[in-house]
Amino acid sequence: QVQLVESGGGVVHPGRSLKLSCAASGFTFSSYPMHWVRQAPGKGLEWVAAISFDGSNKYYADSVKGRFTISRDNSKNQLYLQMNTLRVEDTAVYYCVRERSGWKLDSWGQGTPVTVSS
Amino acid sequence: AIQLTQSPSSLSASVGDRVTITCRASQGIRTALAWYQQMPGKAPKVLIYDASSLEGDMPSRFSGSGSGTEFTLTISSLQPEDFATYYCQQFNSYPITFGQGTRLEI
Repeated sequence: QVQLVESGGGVVHPGRSLKLSCAASGFTFSSYPMHWVRQAPGKGLEWVAAISFDGSNKYYADSVKGRFTISRDNSKNQLYLQMNTLRVEDTAVYYCVRERSGWKLDSWGQGTPVTVSS
Repeated sequence: AIQLTQSPSSLSASVGDRVTITCRASQGIRTALAWYQQMPGKAPKVLIYDASSLEGDMPSRFSGSGSGTEFTLTISSLQPEDFATYYCQQFNSYPITFGQGTRLEI
């Protein structure tokens, strides 16, 4: 079955960097666009970034553009999110999510928490 | 960015009730809309995609409708396991956006 397992979250000071990883299994990773979606404590869902199946196209929310970079390694079935210049408002659970045709995010990881605090 | 506004933000209902949640888009998004259900402490699950298509393993009491700027999610007869938070999401254009959520309470 489809599995998405995030890692790399933790506590970091404002202005520092963190890199999240997502290990995919149970499907042909290289065939699917992938996304990162986050959820701040007690808040709603916020889309963060997306990458096409081959990595040639990348999209970002305005709130992270220029600070975050999404990437993937299809040979390793891995999705990444490099987060630089972190802010307190980036504190959230970050989900790795698969996109399927039909305009849906159909498989979600369990999430990895990121806390930005001084 | 396209804004999605859900109403109501919260809703109290009883088992067996018929419930409707509305999602309005700030501009036309064709049928590029999905609905998700999120239980506390869990990752969201897709319920409806392409505005009205039921995700494979979701119960048939869930249905979606709409196109353009107005969409609805209907639960025909609430079950105890349906008390959760529901989000709409548009896929028409980047940046992808979510509605603010509707909390469905007993």
